[in-house]
Amino acid sequence: DIQMTQSPSSLSASVGDRVTITCRARQYISIYLAWYQQKPGKLPKLLMYAASTLQSGVPSRFSGSGSGTDFTLTISSLQPEDVATYYCQRYNSAPFAFGGGTKVEIK
Amino acid sequence: EVQLVESGGAVVQPGGSLRLSCAASGFTFRSYEMNWVRQAPGKGLEWVSYIGPSEATVYYADSVKGRFTVSRDSAKNAQYLQMNSLRAEDTAIYYCTRGGYCRGGNCEATLFEFWGQGTRVTVSS
Repeated sequence: DIQMTQSPSSLSASVGDRVTITCRARQYISIYLAWYQQKPGKLPKLLMYAASTLQSGVPSRFSGSGSGTDFTLTISSLQPEDVATYYCQRYNSAPFAFGGGTKVEIK
Repeated sequence: EVQLVESGGAVVQPGGSLRLSCAASGFTFRSYEMNWVRQAPGKGLEWVSYIGPSEATVYYADSVKGRFTVSRDSAKNAQYLQMNSLRAEDTAIYYCTRGGYCRGGNCEATLFEFWGQGTRVTVSS
């Protein structure tokens, strides 16, 4: 029973490219959607919440949009330090499910 | 400084049991929701369980419901995960995460801003 579906599962882009990741919820979740970034070998980091509110300290090249069931995470200009796996997560109510993740690499 | 330190991970045979602990410090533990999240080798994040500040409210992922039990001890600033009937697919690093702040029966958003370093559970014969 997959609650959150992300696409693509992986992508490769050049430095400076605009990158977009999508997340679809199986049920309506309003804007109760968070994004996490997990760099290789590191703990997940809360990137964004309420679909579009950046956590303190997150670069402004990251942005989010969407409401209801469809959401996007955008990196306006991909940087080498953005290499990571990105996860969406619903938090309106249990189950607080994560998406399957999107692995972002540099081409 | 918020600190979450997990312990109790081990190698266990299928069908066995294990109890994980999470020691919390640097915040008012009794006022926060707590969760467990796991990550299987090379796989994504999977939310496992939630426990409210008063322990009256608990939730589980379908994959562990009926086998895992979460609890907390505010006197010890700790949460626990009792895992029974373990399966190979429970093999993962288990992370303790702090949820939202609760006051007067209302809680803030269940966001996972703080994570422990994790404890490894391997289910294998």
